[in-house]
Amino acid sequence: KNQVEQSPQSLIILEGKNCTLQCNYTVSPFSNLRWYKQDTGRGPVSLTIMTFSENTKSNGRYTATLDADTKQSSLHITASQLSDSASYICVVSLYYGGSQGNLIFGKGTKLSVKP
Amino acid sequence: IAGITQAPTSQILAAGRRMTLRCTQDMRHNAMYWYRQDLGLGLRLIHYSNTAGTTGKGEVPDGYSVSRANTDDFPLTLASAVPSQTSVYFCASSPDMADTQYFGPGTRLTVL
Repeated sequence: KNQVEQSPQSLIILEGKNCTLQCNYTVSPFSNLRWYKQDTGRGPVSLTIMTFSENTKSNGRYTATLDADTKQSSLHITASQLSDSASYICVVSLYYGGSQGNLIFGKGTKLSVKP
Repeated sequence: IAGITQAPTSQILAAGRRMTLRCTQDMRHNAMYWYRQDLGLGLRLIHYSNTAGTTGKGEVPDGYSVSRANTDDFPLTLASAVPSQTSVYFCASSPDMADTQYFGPGTRLTVL
């Protein structure tokens, strides 16, 4: 069964600290992996998208890594800010070989950054 | 440029009533999607459309219908709402099916 598991479910850190969020997936055939940030009451916003051949991708203070062999990804946030408080969602895309909607969503990690 | 908009922002609806959630994008994206998001669950795909004139079923399509008469609009209809359809509904669009999706602000629907 195609699944995306994220950990931890929630996380509280102090402003200025770094943190790493984890995503494990059992999706096949794999096309790409995406990380989204969702602020409370808003729609998700894309942070990064990585294909099979990419190991790392950065977007400002956000750095995503991908190990396609172990089917694991992480999202590292550097020097956290209060505005980083949000849910972070890992999404894995099945290989697009047809015309179906084919994204598998994780349940997200809720990050709270405290002053 | 508005991007992708949804209406209404929120709605309280009596069970059995018919309701249409509206979604419009001005980015000329080919693909559009409807998701529901419930507490403790990830986003779940309801219906999608690869391009104007075509639609497909997602993970949880029962009780919902969609249409894609043109590129910009992708309304979601609940023919006879039930309390289990209480949720936050997100519309999204992407240039094509494999591309990054852009999400709307969501519609919070409560069915009593």
